[in-house]
Amino acid sequence: QVQLQESGPALVKPSQTLSLTCTVSGGSFSSGRYYWSWIRQPAGKGLEWIGRIWTSGSTTYNPSLKSRVTISVDTSKSQFSLKLSSVTAADTAVYYCARDLNKDYFDYWGQGTLVAVSS
Amino acid sequence: SYVLTQPPSVSVAPGQTATITCGGNNIGSKSVHWYQHKPGQAPVLVVYDDSDRPSGIPERFSGSNSGNTATLTISRVEVGDEADYYCQVWDSSGDHTYVFGTGTKVTVL
Repeated sequence: QVQLQESGPALVKPSQTLSLTCTVSGGSFSSGRYYWSWIRQPAGKGLEWIGRIWTSGSTTYNPSLKSRVTISVDTSKSQFSLKLSSVTAADTAVYYCARDLNKDYFDYWGQGTLVAVSS
Repeated sequence: SYVLTQPPSVSVAPGQTATITCGGNNIGSKSVHWYQHKPGQAPVLVVYDDSDRPSGIPERFSGSNSGNTATLTISRVEVGDEADYYCQVWDSSGDHTYVFGTGTKVTVL
């Protein structure tokens, strides 16, 4: 059974960089057949896709966040990571990582991690 | 950017049928996927490619897609079906992004 687990600081100060890691277990992370994504949900709002990375390292980002987002992958650790720079209170959200089997939908998700932006 | 519109809420009695719509410009030309999201849990894929169900999802969940509206239907609704439901497409014509619907809260009366 594939499992995804997000990890990282729960509190980030305004203007700093939010950093999260997703660790994948139970599957062939480096098989090259998957897109790995970050998705977030502010309290009381809907889901927003942030960006994705192919196992080879190629990335696609949501244009609304592209200038502040970097997603990277470490196949040796079965992990991929998110960096979101210059954060504000509007970036406070539950952040999820998820897998796309190159079929344009997400078949596995992490449980999510709440990140608050506050001084 | 591509927009998907869902009704904010749907209420249904146990045993009845819940119908959740997802409106988008010519959405019938796209593949639509649906997720069930309960508080504090990871979203769960319940329908993919308009009308297919992943393994383990009850047959009570079904989907359709035509014209400007996709629909998720939950038959014989159970208390455990109470959740937020989101439709989702891949927008390959514009920004090349995953697009989620606005979400529908299903309340089982």
